[in-house]
Amino acid sequence: GAVVSQHPSRVICKSGTSVKIECRSLDFQATTMFWYRQFPKQSLMLMATSNEGSKATYEQGVEKDKFLINHASLTLSTLTVTSAHPEDSSFYICSAMSIGTTGELFFGEGSRLTVL
Amino acid sequence: AQSVAQPEDQVNVAEGNPLTVKCTYSVSGNPYLFWYVQYPNRGLQFLLKYITGDNLVKGSYGFEAEFNKSQTSFHLKKPSALVSDSALYFCAVEDGGATNKLIFGTGTLLAVQP
Repeated sequence: GAVVSQHPSRVICKSGTSVKIECRSLDFQATTMFWYRQFPKQSLMLMATSNEGSKATYEQGVEKDKFLINHASLTLSTLTVTSAHPEDSSFYICSAMSIGTTGELFFGEGSRLTVL
Repeated sequence: AQSVAQPEDQVNVAEGNPLTVKCTYSVSGNPYLFWYVQYPNRGLQFLLKYITGDNLVKGSYGFEAEFNKSQTSFHLKKPSALVSDSALYFCAVEDGGATNKLIFGTGTLLAVQP
C-alpha cells in the first residue's frame, strides 16, 4: 500500500525554539494532507488541512501562527511548531490521500514532540 | 455535524474468542465510515471502509464490519481474536463538508488475553 513518511519520529527541544516536522508521501502524490494531534490515551484531533499550493485550512481553536503548515509540493507537507512550550508536547500525525482514490487516507508513523 | 461514538474505552477478550468493537454514527446524508488501528507510538493503519453497497465489509487482518442503517452502527468484528490484535481501534466518519476530512471517535483499546 501507499506509504507516508514522517520525520523526525521523536524530537526533544527547549522551550521557545521552533520545530519542523515533515510529512512525505513516498510513492504517490497527494494534493491534500491532514495534520492531527493526539494526546495520551485520547483520540486524534484534526488540526488543519494542508492543500498543495495554497494556504492551509485550520480547525477552530488551532493557532495558525503557532502551527505553521506549508505544502510546497505534491509529496511534502511540513508542520512547524513555533516558539514551542511544554503544553505543545504531543504526538503529531499526518495523513495523505492519493490523487484519484476515494476515502482511504494513509497515515504517517507519527512524530512525538517533547518540549522541555 | 458528522460524529462517531465509541461507547467502550476498553474491550477485553480471550484469544480465540470472537470480538466486537462498537461504533455508532451520526451523519447527514450517506455516511462514509472507516476503521483504523493504532499500535503503541505508531501512526494509524487502515482496516476497512464502507462507502456504499454490501453492508458487510471485509478488511485487513481478518476484520470485518457491518453497516446497520437502522441502528446507525458500524461495529468492528473478528471471529477469532489474536493476542497480536491488541491495539487501539478508531472508528471514523468522513466530514461531508470537506474532502476526506475524517472525524474520529475516541478510540477503544482492545486487549486480547492469551
